[in-house]
Amino acid sequence: DSGVTQTPKHLITATGQRVTLRCSPRSGDLSVYWYQQSLDQGLQFLIQYYNGEERAKGNILERFSAQQFPDLHSELNLSSLELGDSALYFCASSANDRDPNYGYTFGSGTRLTVV
Amino acid sequence: AQSVTQPDIHITVSEGASLELRCNYSYGATPYLFWYVQSPGQGLQLLLKYFSGDTLVQGIKGFEAEFKRSQSSFNLRKPSVHWSDAAEYFCAVGATPGSARQLTFGSGTQLTVLP
Repeated sequence: DSGVTQTPKHLITATGQRVTLRCSPRSGDLSVYWYQQSLDQGLQFLIQYYNGEERAKGNILERFSAQQFPDLHSELNLSSLELGDSALYFCASSANDRDPNYGYTFGSGTRLTVV
Repeated sequence: AQSVTQPDIHITVSEGASLELRCNYSYGATPYLFWYVQSPGQGLQLLLKYFSGDTLVQGIKGFEAEFKRSQSSFNLRKPSVHWSDAAEYFCAVGATPGSARQLTFGSGTQLTVLP
């Protein structure tokens, strides 16, 4: 157990629907990162939050959004789902975003299947 | 922008044999380099990381990696592979402190270990 908790582990939904993925960071970590892993794109950085504020955006679609709550858990919202959104979505956390002893801890992911 | 190339999509070795997984990076400054391992259905686990100093870094599970600036490489090695090492391995490069800490991952190398 890495300490980063992602729910649900699996999600099957239909095209056009909206889903919410949840991530609880490791205790004490303020920064949360979301990544998408798909067969054709590999591991892609989506977005980072630090202590409730958006810090960086990567290849995140406009149909996707995220937020980090005061208790530091984060949610990734995916809407108007398409077949191509089927992927493994990972959350990672780190203590802060300026720590020279850099390193994330990844959760075990949420596998999203859009049918 | 930084990039990472893992030229070997799939490598097969016999148990007990030595292993080297290749990683080449492109980055304008001194890179922060990482190797992660992903077992089926699991998240990514950090094997080792390089920030500065000794160019040969030791990691968990008996892995080591050598940073060669002249070759822009950070190859992962293990002297004797165990069956439990079968997994997918990802090399990643990170931004320097003071900026957002998203990682750029390579496409991964799938390792198969023969008995």
